[in-house]
Amino acid sequence: DTAVSQTPKYLVTQMGNDKSIKCEQNLGHDTMYWYKQDSKKFLKIMFSYNNKELIINETVPNRFSPKSPDKAHLNLHINSLELGDSAVYFCASSQDAPAGVLDFGPGTRLTVT
Amino acid sequence: QKEVEQNSGPLSVPEGAIASLNCTYSDRGSQSFFWYRQYSGKSPELIMFIYSNGDKEDGRFTAQLNKASQYVSLLIRDSQPSDSATYLCAADTGGFKTIFGAGTRLFVKA
Repeated sequence: DTAVSQTPKYLVTQMGNDKSIKCEQNLGHDTMYWYKQDSKKFLKIMFSYNNKELIINETVPNRFSPKSPDKAHLNLHINSLELGDSAVYFCASSQDAPAGVLDFGPGTRLTVT
Repeated sequence: QKEVEQNSGPLSVPEGAIASLNCTYSDRGSQSFFWYRQYSGKSPELIMFIYSNGDKEDGRFTAQLNKASQYVSLLIRDSQPSDSATYLCAADTGGFKTIFGAGTRLFVKA
């Protein structure tokens, strides 16, 4: 029973391409997130959706566009990929309180060449 | 800029010893604090959280919070080699926003 799942697990692509990462949770949580973890393991929040509404939009290039078709799904589309986008992207979900109790997906390792 | 700071380590302790991991945070409005463990190549998993001043114990783990000093710590008693991982401290700054420290790498030597 996978609680938070992401696809794909690995993504290798060239600069300039467009790619998407998909996330699904079966926990019935109301809030979903995208976090980026760089090579130094620093985990930084990018976006958050609560019941399909965008509630957190950090200082992220507008090449990144999240979409939540329903509260169980959150996708991330990235346009015009750059070398600096290489990282592990984690999807997570949480119930209302405390919001920091996060269930993370397995991560998507994105490598831009 | 709200921040959570941790010593990146590595922290090395012998098997059976107490490992002490520390964290400070900048936002006095933060109410809840979390410790996550992340094994290499895996996703973070929650160990425990704390929101009241003082200690909170869960098995071999004890979280400590001092809001006056803006300080959070995690003690791991009877450390095992399987505890070797990166430990991430995080703070709930409100509005569903949780910010993480850079993590402390812990090595437990058998």
